[in-house]
Amino acid sequence: KNQVEQSPQSLIILEGKNCTLQCNYTVSPFSNLRWYKQDTGRGPVSLTIMTFSENTKSNGRYTATLDADTKQSSLHITASQLSDSASYICVVSARTGGFKTIFGAGTRLFVKA
Amino acid sequence: NAGVTQTPKFRVLKTGQSMTLLCAQDMNHEYMYWYRQDPGMGLRLIHYSVGEGTTAKGEVPDGYNVSRLKKQNFLLGLESAAPSQTSVYFCASILGDLNTGELFFGEGSRLTVL
Repeated sequence: KNQVEQSPQSLIILEGKNCTLQCNYTVSPFSNLRWYKQDTGRGPVSLTIMTFSENTKSNGRYTATLDADTKQSSLHITASQLSDSASYICVVSARTGGFKTIFGAGTRLFVKA
Repeated sequence: NAGVTQTPKFRVLKTGQSMTLLCAQDMNHEYMYWYRQDPGMGLRLIHYSVGEGTTAKGEVPDGYNVSRLKKQNFLLGLESAAPSQTSVYFCASILGDLNTGELFFGEGSRLTVL
């Protein structure tokens, strides 16, 4: 069964600290993995997209890693800011003739001053 | 450049009423999608369109209908609303294929069915 599981469900950190969010997936055959940021009451916004051959990709203070062998990805946030408070969603797509894109339930991050 | 615009942003319906959500994109994207987002769950695909005049069912299509009469617009209809359709609905568009391209989402439409 195609699944995307994210951990933790929620996380509280102090401003300025780093954190790492996890994503495990069973979607196959793998095509790409994306991370989205969703502010409360807003639509998701793309952070990174990685294909099978990419191990890491950065977008400012956000760095995503991918291990296609273990089917795991992580999103590392450096020097967190209050504006990083949001849900972070891992999305995995399969390489098929039709569509097969599975969204994780997200990790809710709270950054406190 | 507005991107993806959804209307209305909020709506309250009574069971059995009908309504239409409108999604408009100004990026000339071919593919458009309607998702619903429920607490504790990932977004689930309701219907999608790969071009003007085409529509297809997604993961959870029952109780919804869609139309894509113009390339820039994708309408989602509820024929007879049920409390189980209380959700936040997101429209998205993409230039290329869903498996390779970047999704651009609207701001969401929060629907409550009493």
